[in-house]
Amino acid sequence: DVKVTQSSRYLVKRTGEKVFLECVQDMDHENMFWYRQDPGLGLRLIYFSYDVKMKEKGDIPEGYSVSREKKERFSLILESASTNQTSMYLCASVQVNTGELFFGEGSRLTVL
Amino acid sequence: ILNVEQSPQSLHVQEGDSTNFTCSFPSSNFYALHWYRWETAKSPEALFVMTLNGDEKKKGRISATLNTKEGYSYLYIKGSQPEDSATYLCALYPSGGSNYKLTFGKGTLLTVNP
Repeated sequence: DVKVTQSSRYLVKRTGEKVFLECVQDMDHENMFWYRQDPGLGLRLIYFSYDVKMKEKGDIPEGYSVSREKKERFSLILESASTNQTSMYLCASVQVNTGELFFGEGSRLTVL
Repeated sequence: ILNVEQSPQSLHVQEGDSTNFTCSFPSSNFYALHWYRWETAKSPEALFVMTLNGDEKKKGRISATLNTKEGYSYLYIKGSQPEDSATYLCALYPSGGSNYKLTFGKGTLLTVNP
C-alpha cells in the first residue's frame, strides 16, 4: 500500500520556536509538496520540490523553508514560529503519469 | 493566481438523497481537473483526474462530468450514505503549468445525516 507519512499528527509550539515537519513517501516520486489548509481558504501551496536538493516557492512561502536531502523525505521548517502559522499542514507527492497527488494525513500545528 | 471556485461551501443531506456540487475554473487555462475526497482525520484521496471535454467518470455511486469550454465540473453522489461525509476538493492543473502544481478550490463540506 503506497504511503505518504507525516511524522507528527499534532504539535503545540511556542512563538519563536523552530519547528520541523517531516514527510516521507515510499513511492519513489520526484515531486513533493507542502500545503497548508485554513478554514475558508482551502489548500495553499507553501513550497515544492522536483528533485533532491531542488525546491521552489509556492504561493505562500514567507516564514517557511524546506529541505530535500533524500528523494523520499521532504521537510518543512518554520524558523521562528508565529501564531499566524497555526494551521493544518499537508504533505503530498505526485504520480507523474496521472498527475494524481498522494497526501499524508496532515500535521495540525498550534503556535501559542 | 488562478481562481477555482466551488459551490456550495457546505451541504447537509439525508441518507439516501442524491446530491451534486460544482467546480468552476477559467476555461482558457485548462489542462486537467482533479477531484479529491477528504474525510476527517484521514488523507485526501483522489477520486478523478479528468482531461477531456465532455468526459464523464464514475466510481461506485460517485460520478463527475467535465465541461472545459465553459469551465465547470460537476460531482454527483447517488444515494448518499453517512460514509460519504467529507470535504470534496477540486483542483486545476492549468495549461502551461509546471511541476504538477495544482490550484485548489476551497472545498465543499458534505454532511450526510442518517
